[in-house]
Amino acid sequence: QLQLQESGPGLVQPSETLSLTCTVSGGSITSSTFYWGWIRQPPGKGLEWIGSIYYSGRTYYHPSFKSRVTISIDSSKNQFSLRLSSVTAADTAVYYCARHQDGTAEFAPWGQGSLVIVST
Amino acid sequence: QSALTQPASVSGSPGQSITISCTGTSSDIGAYNYVSWYQQHPGKAPKLMIYDVTNRPSGVSNRFSGSKSGNTASLTISGLQAEDEADYYCSSFTSSTTWVFGGGTKLTVL
Repeated sequence: QLQLQESGPGLVQPSETLSLTCTVSGGSITSSTFYWGWIRQPPGKGLEWIGSIYYSGRTYYHPSFKSRVTISIDSSKNQFSLRLSSVTAADTAVYYCARHQDGTAEFAPWGQGSLVIVST
Repeated sequence: QSALTQPASVSGSPGQSITISCTGTSSDIGAYNYVSWYQQHPGKAPKLMIYDVTNRPSGVSNRFSGSKSGNTASLTISGLQAEDEADYYCSSFTSSTTWVFGGGTKLTVL
C-alpha cells in the first residue's frame, strides 16, 4: 500500500527558504501516469495546490508561487522535494504531499501533513 | 487562477440528504470531467471521496455521489450520519495544466 510522509523543519525564519521532502514507500516514484504534488493549508483555511512533478522531472506550478517555488525529484531515494523561497508569515501552513493521476484531480494518497511556521 | 466557489457551510439532520455545490469556469470544471471531492476531518489529511465527477474509490460509501452541469459540480451525501460531519473540498484540473481547489464547505450534522 502506497504511503507518503513529509519531513522537514517545523520553523523557518522570514525571508529564508522553506524545504520539505516527501518520502514515498510501498511503490515506485517512477511509475508512469502519476504526478507527485504539494498542497498546503494555512491554519483555519482551505487547500491550495502549489505544484506537481512527473518522474521525468517535468514540473507544473501554481502561478502565484512560480517565482518562488522549486519542486524536484530524487528517484534513487524515492523522494520528491519542495523549496519555497523568501517566505513570510503568510506561508505558515500545513504542507501535504500527494500522488495524483496525469491530468485528473485525483489526489490520493496523501501524506499526514507537516506544519511549517514562519516566524522569528 | 481563482479558487473554485463553494458555500461556506451546509447542515442537515441524520438520515437526510445534502448537496454541496462547487462553481468554476469554462477553463476548469466546464472544460473537463476531472472534478474530485475530498473529506477532511479536523487535524487529518484530506481523503478522496469522488473522482472524475462521479466515480467512488474503493471503500467509499455509496451514500456519496457526484455530478456536474456546465461549470458547476455537486457532491450529494444521502442518509447523513454523524461521522459525515467534516470539511469538504472540490478540486478540478484546468486548461492551464494546473490544479485548483475550492474554498471548502463545513458540513454540520444537526
